Amino acid sequence: EDKVVQSPLSLVVHEGDTVTLNCSYEVTNFRSLLWYKQEKKAPTFLFMLTSSGIEKKSGRLSSILDKKELFSILNITATQTGDSAVYLCAATQGGSEKLVFGKGTKLTVNP
Amino acid sequence: EPEVTQTPSHQVTQMGQEVILRCVPISNHLYFYWYRQILGQKVEFLVSFYNNEISEKSEIFDDQFSVERPDGSNFTLKIRSTKLEDSAMYFCASSASGRAEETQYFGPGTRLLVL
Repeated sequence: EDKVVQSPLSLVVHEGDTVTLNCSYEVTNFRSLLWYKQEKKAPTFLFMLTSSGIEKKSGRLSSILDKKELFSILNITATQTGDSAVYLCAATQGGSEKLVFGKGTKLTVNP
Repeated sequence: EPEVTQTPSHQVTQMGQEVILRCVPISNHLYFYWYRQILGQKVEFLVSFYNNEISEKSEIFDDQFSVERPDGSNFTLKIRSTKLEDSAMYFCASSASGRAEETQYFGPGTRLLVL
């Protein structure tokens, strides 16, 4: 069965801390891995990763994929209260249009 | 910036009633999707739609579900006879193509509560 597993399930930090969120996957015919940020409602797109070892960066957020070990990490440096959200990881597969999601990591950043 | 929109934001219905959830995908996108998220659980794929027909569906998408693109802008999910277990957040998404490397963009969701 295809699956995506995220850890930790929840995390509480203080503003200014750096956090690392983990996502491992076991999907057949893997093609890409996506990170989304889910605040109150819609998951909003952060990154798509298709190649191993190439870091993608957007401001204080960065992510990298390891296709040999089948995992990805999402780093957030100098966290702010506005980073509080559920971070979702999802995998795509060749020959399928669906996203396979993990359960998410709930990040709480306290002032 | 273009975005996916969904209506209504909340829907409360009685068990056995029909509901229609509406979505307006991003205008130049060709692939449309419905996902659901039961409270406290994962986001789950329901169905994808391209060129006026279903291109892929999950085991969840049984005969009580149907999708339609009634005009050039709307994309709907109909649940014919709702059950208590259909209570969930329903997300619509769209993408420019159906390729696995194409990003899917999500709407804000409709929270459905079946009583």
